[in-house]
Amino acid sequence: AQSVTQLDSQVPVFEEAPVELRCNYSSSVSVYLFWYVQYPNQGLQLLLKYLSGSTLVKGINGFEAEFNKSQTSFHLRKPSVHISDTAEYFCAVNSGTYKYIFGTGTRLKVLA
Amino acid sequence: DGGITQSPKYLFRKEGQNVTLSCEQNLNHDAMYWYRQDPGQGLRLIYYSQIVNDFQKGDIAEGYSVSREKKESFPLTVTSAQKNPTAFYLCASSVPAGAGTDTQYFGPGTRLTVL
Repeated sequence: AQSVTQLDSQVPVFEEAPVELRCNYSSSVSVYLFWYVQYPNQGLQLLLKYLSGSTLVKGINGFEAEFNKSQTSFHLRKPSVHISDTAEYFCAVNSGTYKYIFGTGTRLKVLA
Repeated sequence: DGGITQSPKYLFRKEGQNVTLSCEQNLNHDAMYWYRQDPGQGLRLIYYSQIVNDFQKGDIAEGYSVSREKKESFPLTVTSAQKNPTAFYLCASSVPAGAGTDTQYFGPGTRLTVL
């Protein structure tokens, strides 16, 4: 069985500062990894995904994530955040089925 | 514009009532999903369908039912057997380009409240 852990439920950060949102997963097989963003009262939108190849994945809105197999992590980073990045971010994993496992989410609050 | 629509945006249910949440997509996607979102719990899979006239239970299917009579439609019924239905419900769809690699496209959600 797979699982996803997002240890930080909330992350406050000042505008233009860097941010890292942590995601760790557990799986006995190879996985595909995703980061989604959810703005208030809306659905989720894909930021980026890792399927294979380069472990550094670049996504939309200046976000990137690095797949680390030895540490079973897929942390999301942005070098300089904006107020508009305030949202909830979800990490998800899939081992090659139609079932996606989502983490509990991290609320990013960007402060002026 | 292609996308996923969910209706209604807000829904109120009385105890003992069945209610149906609508999900329609015009993306020509084969796979569709229903998730329930509760604060601090992330998304939990209720049902998913890979093709018309076929669907499978997810992790929390008890008290819910679905149908998939058309490719573009995947309605969810919350029955009176669901004891705690107050939540935010999200519908999603994807192209099964390769199991597990698909990007899921989400609708805007329906917030269900039990009165």
